[in-house]
Amino acid sequence: EAQVTQNPRYLITVTGKKLTVTCSQNMNHEYMSWYRQDPGLGLRQIYYSMNVEVTDKGDVPEGYKVSRKEKRNFPLILESPSPNQTSLYFCASSPRGQGADEQYFGPGTRLTVT
Amino acid sequence: GQNIDQPTEMTATEGAIVQINCTYQTSGFNGLFWYQQHAGEAPTFLSYNVLDGLEEKGRFSSFLSRSKGYSYLLLKELQMKDSASYLCAVRDTGGSYIPTFGRGTSLIVHP
Repeated sequence: EAQVTQNPRYLITVTGKKLTVTCSQNMNHEYMSWYRQDPGLGLRQIYYSMNVEVTDKGDVPEGYKVSRKEKRNFPLILESPSPNQTSLYFCASSPRGQGADEQYFGPGTRLTVT
Repeated sequence: GQNIDQPTEMTATEGAIVQINCTYQTSGFNGLFWYQQHAGEAPTFLSYNVLDGLEEKGRFSSFLSRSKGYSYLLLKELQMKDSASYLCAVRDTGGSYIPTFGRGTSLIVHP
């Protein structure tokens, strides 16, 4: 089944404790991206990647890191989480980001930082 | 950059028709998407417009006017399951080619 998977789905952590949210897609897509979704603010892009070893900042990259060592995986790293990073996070992938290429979203990771 | 505007919330009655508007400003337009998102779930693709006009897909249609920076999503024969957020997303010609999302419109369908 073609899909984007994220782990964990739910996470409660404390300020400053490094964490990684994994994202994997099995559709051989080139483009992958991370979003956070907050009430009243909609989906905001954190980082994106156009291919292996090619990553760039989105609109709200502060406090986050990513890597793209393999085509299928695009982990999101929070080196020192803070309460303002409490949010719902979505990973998404698309074939090439051109034309009618739609984005396929993972199920989301709900993160709480206390 | 882009500026995308949608109404925050709309209500409608089961069986009716509702139109959700989206206006945008972008330096180089390269496509507009509509996604549906049920509460607590991932967004799912509904439609894509890059040329002016109406694209129809079952009960859902999407319209685009590039000169006016305007799109709408039309939902016909509303069902209770259509209660969801509807996200307008615009892709431009610069940068990532990954669309920027508006804040979404929460649609509540009443019996």
